[in-house]
Amino acid sequence: AQRVTQPEKLLSVFKGAPVELKCNYSYSGSPELFWYVQYSRQRLQLLLRHISRESIKGFTADLNKGETSFHLKKPFAQEEDSAMYYCALNTGRRALTFGSGTRLQVQP
Amino acid sequence: DAGVTQSPTHLIKTRGQQVTLRCSPKSGHDTVSWYQQALGQGPQFIFQYYEEEERQRGNFPDRFSGHQFPNYSSELNVNALLLGDSALYLCASRVRGLDTVGQYFGPGTRLLVL
Repeated sequence: AQRVTQPEKLLSVFKGAPVELKCNYSYSGSPELFWYVQYSRQRLQLLLRHISRESIKGFTADLNKGETSFHLKKPFAQEEDSAMYYCALNTGRRALTFGSGTRLQVQP
Repeated sequence: DAGVTQSPTHLIKTRGQQVTLRCSPKSGHDTVSWYQQALGQGPQFIFQYYEEEERQRGNFPDRFSGHQFPNYSSELNVNALLLGDSALYLCASRVRGLDTVGQYFGPGTRLLVL
């Protein structure tokens, strides 16, 4: 069965420090992975997807099929990055399987 | 365009009651999915509707049912409410034929079952 694991509930860093939010997945097919973000009092929104290989707000994520990981990285954290981050897997049934989320706290 | 809208924003029910939640998709979207997000957890897929029929379903009991109307809006019904049904219920819409990158989420309805 498909599963997405985000091992850290909370990640606290100082402004300007590098950030890595971990995501591991379990899926027998060809994975399609996403990162969603939820800022305080806002709705869930797509941050980036592995297919596009783009950088959004300075964040990047690389799919590593060997390690079944899709970690989210940013070289220099900003206070406005503080939010809840969810890794999600499209199982090919057009439904998303989400991880339990990691709260990123960027301190000044 | 207000994007995906959901009503009501909050709801309190007692065990055994029934509840109906509503969702209006983003303009131009024809597919609606529902998710349940329990406190401290990520969203869990309940089901998806397009062309007024349930097309995919997650691991939820038959107490959870839905409907899609000709204008693409959707309802989520939960019968015989349990305490464990307390959660944030999210609606997401997209255009069928596109991948989930075009999926937009609503603000959710927070349901409390006492």
